[in-house]
Amino acid sequence: DAGITQSPRHKVTETGTPVTLRCHQTENHRYMYWYRQDPGHGLRLIHYSYGVKDTDKGEVSDGYSVSRSKTEDFLLTLESATSSQTSVYFCAISEFQGTNQPQHFGDGTRLSIL
Amino acid sequence: KNEVEQSPQNLTAQEGEFITINCSYSVGISALHWLQQHPGGGIVSLFMLSSGKKKHGRLIATINIQEKHSSLHITASHPRDSAVYICAVIYSGGSNYKLTFGKGTLLTVNP
Repeated sequence: DAGITQSPRHKVTETGTPVTLRCHQTENHRYMYWYRQDPGHGLRLIHYSYGVKDTDKGEVSDGYSVSRSKTEDFLLTLESATSSQTSVYFCAISEFQGTNQPQHFGDGTRLSIL
Repeated sequence: KNEVEQSPQNLTAQEGEFITINCSYSVGISALHWLQQHPGGGIVSLFMLSSGKKKHGRLIATINIQEKHSSLHITASHPRDSAVYICAVIYSGGSNYKLTFGKGTLLTVNP
């Protein structure tokens, strides 16, 4: 299994508070991704990173920011959490970009915003 | 809008049955992925296809590019196959990192 650790695994917080989720990899893969998974929707890309300090927006990036200061860590921040951001968040990594490249997923973070 | 449709949404089978899960998409793609998500959430990549057919153990994935359709088959199903199966595509002409996901098919295999 790819060495991907998401932390925390579960979090409950209140509306308006800042939240940071961490994705840590031990594979030295260049590409990292943050997705959210909600009932009735497929996984949706929030942000991705194609290298240290290189990030770009996905399809549902509003309300989220990311940072990648080291190859192994990709942080997702909700500056002021809202109830609509209650979701399960998955981090994924891939060694290369390309149509035949698999993405390896972390175990997810269940975030509840009350 | 580029969409990925999976059917059925839910599938219940008896142990030993042959299972088929379908995935259709709206425009041309570069590749298609099948993923498995077990209860408890972990997601594992099963197959990547751009043409033809792939087999791994009891799992077989096929793709028909002309018909914009893929199927995932499970032979001799087992309760441990119970999971959500997710189809995802990379659209031609788009960024080659970006996966568009279906909503998943929940498979339950009863003993």
